[in-house]
Amino acid sequence: NAGVTQTPKFRILKIGQSMTLQCTQDMNHNYMYWYRQDPGMGLKLIYYSVGAGITDKGEVPNGYNVSRSTTEDFPLRLELAAPSQTSVYFCASSFSTTNSPLHFGNGTRLTVT
Amino acid sequence: GENVEQHPSTLSVQEGDSAVIKCTYSDSASNYFPWYKQELGKRPQLIIDIRSNVGEKKDQRIAVTLNKTAKHFSLHITETQPEDSAVYFCAAAGGGKSTFGDGTTLTVKP
Repeated sequence: NAGVTQTPKFRILKIGQSMTLQCTQDMNHNYMYWYRQDPGMGLKLIYYSVGAGITDKGEVPNGYNVSRSTTEDFPLRLELAAPSQTSVYFCASSFSTTNSPLHFGNGTRLTVT
Repeated sequence: GENVEQHPSTLSVQEGDSAVIKCTYSDSASNYFPWYKQELGKRPQLIIDIRSNVGEKKDQRIAVTLNKTAKHFSLHITETQPEDSAVYFCAAAGGGKSTFGDGTTLTVKP
């Protein structure tokens, strides 16, 4: 199993540009999450999904959108990139929320200039 | 929503000493408490977890305790080694999502 795969690993965007961060998992997990991690800080939840077709906002959803058309894929869309969105983005999945850990991807390092 | 506070933010110990990191949470509905270790430039990875019906769990040099009444849980690392140097995150999970503390940077000096 590859686990959770994120692409790209690095990206530089200009202010106002758009992009999609890709995330796919092969563990048949229902729960998927997007977190951002600013330098020296913890992980803040952007969006999450409890199953295909269902998404919900986390702590810091502004400026982002998600979709969950399949169990495997959970892309994160940035429509109008801003410098405040410079961060490392982690996708994660879990079997459930009550007794199973998050499996993280390797992260996408995004810089907006 | 859930709020998780983690202390200390930095911790420096001598090799062989013990390290303790403490977290508090606010939502009594949270029922799963994992700890993650993140090495520089890497992804967070689970090191130990505890469920709300358990008070203590141990795995070799690592132990976690949970006090549900006080909404406290702690990570204990004994006989620390230089390879334990990393950032450690606590989390509280329930209701479909996990909320993380801000992390503790542990440095183990040889």
